[in-house]
Amino acid sequence: ETGVTQSPTHLIKTRGQQVTLRCSSQSGHNTVSWYQQALGQGPQFIFQYYREEENGRGNFPPRFSGLQFPNYSSELNVNALELDDSALYLCASSLGQFSGANVLTFGAGSRLTVL
Amino acid sequence: DAKTTQPPSMDCAEGRAANLPCNHSTISGNEYVYWYRQIHSQGPQYIIHGLKNNETNEMASLIITEDRKSSTLILPHATLRDTAVYYCIVRVDGGKLIFGQGTELSVKP
Repeated sequence: ETGVTQSPTHLIKTRGQQVTLRCSSQSGHNTVSWYQQALGQGPQFIFQYYREEENGRGNFPPRFSGLQFPNYSSELNVNALELDDSALYLCASSLGQFSGANVLTFGAGSRLTVL
Repeated sequence: DAKTTQPPSMDCAEGRAANLPCNHSTISGNEYVYWYRQIHSQGPQYIIHGLKNNETNEMASLIITEDRKSSTLILPHATLRDTAVYYCIVRVDGGKLIFGQGTELSVKP
């Protein structure tokens, strides 16, 4: 059983650029969610995808968007990067959605630095 | 905002039990209590979760009070590798996790 894998692990961008982060969910998991973790803070929920549709979103602007593919992998896209977007971006997968009993498995994250 | 309150930091001697408290006085009847930990710059690692009953697995035990307003995570024999930030989370609707600041546990030799 493979876990959640994310790529790239580190990347540096400049303000105004766009970035795409990728995530492969754990085998058998059909739900993917993304979190942003600024330095010294706990992770914050960005959005969740189930069956290729966004079905939950946190307090993030529309320039944060995502996709889920038929194989349940996912992408997080951020347009018009700002300095405050510098953070660790975490992907988590789970089986099913509307249940408090489904464990989320996290990847190791993608560290984005915006200069 | 997170629905849990945790002490910002705790120390524990290696080999002793680490007891990490968490208050969640506004928890709803169908919300689970989850514990995750995060070792520096890694992704959060699932530890344990529970609804009403106490739970135990190979990593830890979770003790939930009868009124469900608080819980305690117990690491029975802490090692240096257990040094991490521990997050207590109440699982809200839709499955998202709302993280607070967590407890930074330092296990000392």
